[in-house]
Amino acid sequence: DGGITQSPKYLFRKEGQNVTLSCEQNLNHDAMYWYRQDPGQGLRLIYYSQIVNDFQKGDIAEGYSVSREKKESFPLTVTSAQKNPTAFYLCASSIESGVGNTEAFFGQGTRLTVV
Amino acid sequence: EDKVVQSPLSLVVHEGDTVTLNCSYEVTNFRSLLWYKQEKKAPTFLFMLTSSGIEKKSGRLSSILDKKELSSILNITATQTGDSAIYLCAVVWYGNKLVFGAGTILRVKS
Repeated sequence: DGGITQSPKYLFRKEGQNVTLSCEQNLNHDAMYWYRQDPGQGLRLIYYSQIVNDFQKGDIAEGYSVSREKKESFPLTVTSAQKNPTAFYLCASSIESGVGNTEAFFGQGTRLTVV
Repeated sequence: EDKVVQSPLSLVVHEGDTVTLNCSYEVTNFRSLLWYKQEKKAPTFLFMLTSSGIEKKSGRLSSILDKKELSSILNITATQTGDSAIYLCAVVWYGNKLVFGAGTILRVKS
């Protein structure tokens, strides 16, 4: 079945550690995104990538890093520089239709907690 | 700065009421506007709007885009407790940048 897989579902990080969240899609989508969601709030864009080996910062990129070495994969590293990393992280991917319309598909999310 | 603003931020209604959620945007190179419903984890897709004035409908939900006013509304008629969720609006920019608003938290009381 085609879809987006995020792992792990739950992740605990100690202060000062870097952790990497995985996002894999087999939808053959070009664009991939990482969002952060805090309780009771909407989604804030961290990074996005339109093609392999290219990515752009979103609104809250500080303390995060990404790579896009393969079309299927867009891992997010939460570095020790991110002072408040406890949140729900969602990965999404999208494809343009022939008329330039885009719908995003989401993974099930990773809940990161700093302990 | 490109941004997406949703209102109200939260809303409490009774079953059977009709609600209207708003989404406005300030962007360059607008491509489309998307509505999502988020209950627990991943948002689920509701509508994609690209053309002004054409209503999209799915059951009790409907949505319309006004490109002149740079806004969209999502209507839910005869609300049910199962409609309780966060409703997210997102705008796609040229180049596939997909930016979400803060969401509207809807609670439907029985």
